Amino acid sequence: NAGVMQNPRHLVRRRGQEARLRCSPMKGHSHVYWYRQLPEEGLKFMVYLQKENIIDESGMPKERFSAEFPKEGPSILRIQQVVRGDSAAYFCASSPTRDVYEQYFGPGTRLTVT
Amino acid sequence: DAKTTQPNSMESNEEEPVHLPCNHSTISGTDYIHWYRQLPSQGPEYVIHGLTSNVNNRMASLAIAEDRKSSTLILHRATLRDAAVYYCILRSGGGADGLTFGKGTHLIIQP
Repeated sequence: NAGVMQNPRHLVRRRGQEARLRCSPMKGHSHVYWYRQLPEEGLKFMVYLQKENIIDESGMPKERFSAEFPKEGPSILRIQQVVRGDSAAYFCASSPTRDVYEQYFGPGTRLTVT
Repeated sequence: DAKTTQPNSMESNEEEPVHLPCNHSTISGTDYIHWYRQLPSQGPEYVIHGLTSNVNNRMASLAIAEDRKSSTLILHRATLRDAAVYYCILRSGGGADGLTFGKGTHLIIQP
């Protein structure tokens, strides 16, 4: 059973461009979480999605950031008009149901904004 | 989520047991205690969780104080591959919400 997959693993964008980060949860998992880890800091929760629904986006910046988890295909975290402060590692995690306590994390996407 | 307090770093020798403490004095009755770890340049990895009773799994043991205001993650025989940042996290019963990571404990293993 393949683990959580994220791509790309490394992404370089110039200021003002868009960044699209993809997350394929583990097979059978319908709950996806996105986290951001700024350099030398801990992980911060951004958003929790279930298929086609955003359940909790309390950690998501109000502007430029959006997330989706369509019925078919991976979850996408989209950052518009990136700035240098967006440079970070972005991790995706998945779980099979609401009642399972473990979250399974992917390897992350390291975004560098130049 | 209630706040947890962990030492910034700890050092241990290979093949010796490691006890990683966590204080959570404001824990509520429905909060579960979770531990995750993050190896260098990797995503976090679930280690163990518990509510009131001590728990054991293939990776570690979790000892929970009787008043639940503190807990200890026990690695019975540390290896170099256990060098990581260990996070103690409280989650409300129901478990579906996002995790609140603190700064964790940076565990250094000496050969």
